[in-house]
Amino acid sequence: DTEVTQTPKHLVMGMTNKKSLKCEQHMGHRAMYWYKQKAKKPPELMFVYSYEKLSINESVPSRFSPECPNSSLLNLHLHALQPEDSALYLCASSLRDSSSYNSPLHFGNGTRLTVT
Amino acid sequence: DQQVKQNSPSLSVQEGRISILNCDYTNSMFDYFLWYKKYPAEGPTFLISISSIKDKNEDGRFTVFLNKSAKHLSLHIVPSQPGDSAVYFCAAKASGGSNYKLTFGKGTLLTVNP
Repeated sequence: DTEVTQTPKHLVMGMTNKKSLKCEQHMGHRAMYWYKQKAKKPPELMFVYSYEKLSINESVPSRFSPECPNSSLLNLHLHALQPEDSALYLCASSLRDSSSYNSPLHFGNGTRLTVT
Repeated sequence: DQQVKQNSPSLSVQEGRISILNCDYTNSMFDYFLWYKKYPAEGPTFLISISSIKDKNEDGRFTVFLNKSAKHLSLHIVPSQPGDSAVYFCAAKASGGSNYKLTFGKGTLLTVNP
């Protein structure tokens, strides 16, 4: 069982749709992340939130819009996606995002997104 | 330039035997290493980590060994169980780097045969 919960598990959307991915953790972690993973590849970082503030955007297109309503929740709003955006979207959290404190990332099971 | 290498794309072992998964790295600034297990259609699950101040860390059936001079680490699973069949990713973080700055290897598919 993962302690990072993501919904929905699967999502199929058209290129003109607007949808949102949700992530929740109750481990008291103050850093949360969005990753994208293509088949047989390692996860690629998209966004980092530290203490509910966006600290890193890895040059992600604006059709992906993250939101952190509180310390336990992380959303990813999707609009006007392309078929090549189809992938597994993973949420992760860690105790904190600090260069002086090693804290492993805990991943959710992801949302399998298909853009048609 | 691949800084974390898992040179074996796949490994097959018999149930009850030891599984040894290997990982090599090139960046001497890496000082924190992690292993993740991933089942199909699921996210990576954190297994075990090791800091460069240690050369061994053990957690139940899982032991990670770090050889800093050789820039090599390995994950030992003993005894192996069919439920261990998954893709195993090695990841590394550089000294002074944020926790999200993980460099992942490409993964090794472990199959444990009953």
